Amino acid sequence: LAKTTQPISMDSYEGQEVNITCSHNNIATNDYITWYQQFPSQGPRFIIQGYKTKVTNEVASLFIPADRKSSTLSLPRVSLSDTAVYYCLVGDQTGANNLFFGTGTRLTVIP
Amino acid sequence: GAGVSQSPSNKVTEKGKDVELRCDPISGHTALYWYRQSLGQGLEFLIYFQGNSAPDKSGLPSDRFSAERTGGSVSTLTIQRTQQEDSAVYLCASSLGLAVPSYEQYFGPGTRLTVT
Repeated sequence: LAKTTQPISMDSYEGQEVNITCSHNNIATNDYITWYQQFPSQGPRFIIQGYKTKVTNEVASLFIPADRKSSTLSLPRVSLSDTAVYYCLVGDQTGANNLFFGTGTRLTVIP
Repeated sequence: GAGVSQSPSNKVTEKGKDVELRCDPISGHTALYWYRQSLGQGLEFLIYFQGNSAPDKSGLPSDRFSAERTGGSVSTLTIQRTQQEDSAVYLCASSLGLAVPSYEQYFGPGTRLTVT
């Protein structure tokens, strides 16, 4: 089971770029890296998923180095509405490996 | 289209009573998951169903917890003889399938269970 480690919390000012790094030293060959966002009183919402190098969508970018032992979620120019908990998951979802969300990173965006 | 729905949204019950929580997944989604989230904590995996396969119950915390999924659609999570430590938000999610790459999970709004 690939375990992930994230910072418990981060603060950022509005308009800044935020990078949240997740460590997953035991990632397996078939594992993908997935990030979810959770607002208070809501269920998590999928943000982005990747296997290697860089993935970008309309919301975020995901950077994965060659050894894949870590990944960085990058949120460009954050706003107050980006205040949420961000979860990093690693697994191939053929078993229960991708179903452990951990405690996530609580991002607080400051005006 | 409609997202994942859960009912009730809130449930208050007395210690020792049984409760049933319902989840309606997105139509066409073959995989369904249950999690619980205690206040200020991350999500704890409970159980998942994939199509007609036997569910993975490895996350259920005790034999007081059980879940069914009828006809490959609606699921019910049952907690018998509830305890105060069962108080949490119970989240249900569904996805198109269960394969590589990981399919996106769509979450419902959750059921907030309070055991008094």
